[in-house]
Amino acid sequence: GAVVSQHPSRVICKSGTSVKIECRSLDFQATTMFWYRQFPKQSLMLMATSNEGSKATYEQGVEKDKFLINHASLTLSTLTVTSAHPEDSSFYICSTYRATNEKLFFGSGTQLSVL
Amino acid sequence: ELKVEQNPLFLSMQEGKNYTIYCNYSTTSDRLYWYRQDPGKSLESLFVLLSNGAVKQEGRLMASLDTKARLSTLHITAAVHDLSATYFCAGGGNQFYFGTGTSLTVIP
Repeated sequence: GAVVSQHPSRVICKSGTSVKIECRSLDFQATTMFWYRQFPKQSLMLMATSNEGSKATYEQGVEKDKFLINHASLTLSTLTVTSAHPEDSSFYICSTYRATNEKLFFGSGTQLSVL
Repeated sequence: ELKVEQNPLFLSMQEGKNYTIYCNYSTTSDRLYWYRQDPGKSLESLFVLLSNGAVKQEGRLMASLDTKARLSTLHITAAVHDLSATYFCAGGGNQFYFGTGTSLTVIP
C-alpha cells in the first residue's frame, strides 16, 4: 500500500487564492519531507526540504513567501501556494526518505491549475 | 547542488530491441535511484543502487552504478510496448535531485 498519502490529487482555483497541499507519511515517522514541482514533459525540480519542527530549506530561486511549507509533526507536511497565479500551475509531488531501506517514497502528486 | 543529466531525452525503439539509458551526475552521490513515470501519474520506484559496481535486474530492466565514473545505466532488454513511459534517475544524500528524464516509446 501507499507509504505517502498526498491530497488533494487535483485542484482548480482562481488566481489570487491560496491552495494547501497535504502530505502524510502513513507507516513511519518522516523527519524530512521533500517538495518537488514538475511542469509538463519536464523533470522534477526540488523546491524545498522540510524538517519536522524547523524551518524549511528552499532551493535557489524558490520564493519562500510564495510557497509556505509547514512540517509540524513527524507524519504531516503541508505546502501552501499563496496568492496563486496561472504560472504556478504545475504538478506538485512530495517525497520522503526512509533510512531503514534507503528508499525514497513519493506521494501521488497534486495537479494544480490556476485560472 | 548535484547536477544529474540523462541521455537520450527521447527514445523510440521497436519491440524486441535492446537499448541503454545513461545517467551522469556531477558530484559524489550516496545513492542512485531509477524511477518510472506514466503520464499524469507519480513516480514508481524501479531500483535503488547503493554502491560502486551495484547491478540490479527486474524483468527486462537492469540498472548498474559506477561511482568512479559517476555514471548509472538502465538497460532495456527485448523491449515491449508496456515499457513505454518516462524514466528518471535521481541521486543525492541529504537532498535528492532528478535527471532530465528519458521519454521512451516502444513501437510494436
